[in-house]
Amino acid sequence: EAQVTQNPRYLITVTGKKLTVTCSQNMNHEYMSWYRQDPGLGLRQIYYSMNVEVTDKGDVPEGYKVSRKEKRNFPLILESPSPNQTSLYFCASSLIGAPGSYEQYFGPGTRLTVT
Amino acid sequence: AQTVTQSQPEMSVQEAETVTLSCTYDTSESDYYLFWYKQPPSRQMILVIRQEAYKQQNATENRFSVNFQKAAKSFSLKISDSQLGDAAMYFCAYSTSGTYKYIFGTGTRLKVLA
Repeated sequence: EAQVTQNPRYLITVTGKKLTVTCSQNMNHEYMSWYRQDPGLGLRQIYYSMNVEVTDKGDVPEGYKVSRKEKRNFPLILESPSPNQTSLYFCASSLIGAPGSYEQYFGPGTRLTVT
Repeated sequence: AQTVTQSQPEMSVQEAETVTLSCTYDTSESDYYLFWYKQPPSRQMILVIRQEAYKQQNATENRFSVNFQKAAKSFSLKISDSQLGDAAMYFCAYSTSGTYKYIFGTGTRLKVLA
């Protein structure tokens, strides 16, 4: 089954404790992206990647890191989480330069709470 | 900078009736993509419909259709014969061709009344 998976689905952590949210897709998509969703603000793009070793900032990259060492994986790293990073996080992927490109497939979301 | 505005935080529609969700955007680009995504209570993001800016014909997917007015920078979603399963948050989104940066609106929560 074609899908984007995220782990963990729920996470409660404390301020300053480094964490990683994993994202993996099995569709051989070149493009992957991270978003955060907050009430009243919609989804905002954090980082995106057009291919392996190619990443770029979205609109709200502060406090986050990403890496793209393999095509299928795109982990989101919070080196020192703060309460304002409490949010619902989505990973997404899509093709590039082919029919169906720009149509993002989303993961199920990760609910992160930082206390 | 590009922006996407959804001015209706919440809307209601009677089952089997038609409802239109509004979306306006601002861009100086000529080649771009527009999308409507549905987010039911499960939180899963589901693509409803997409529109390429260079296409004049409005996109249609079964009961879902758009009214794309490029000059007015308007991209509304019409849902016909509304069903209880249509109840969800709907997000309008924009992406400039070639950049793969996405801008989402703040969403419209649709309630379907039985």
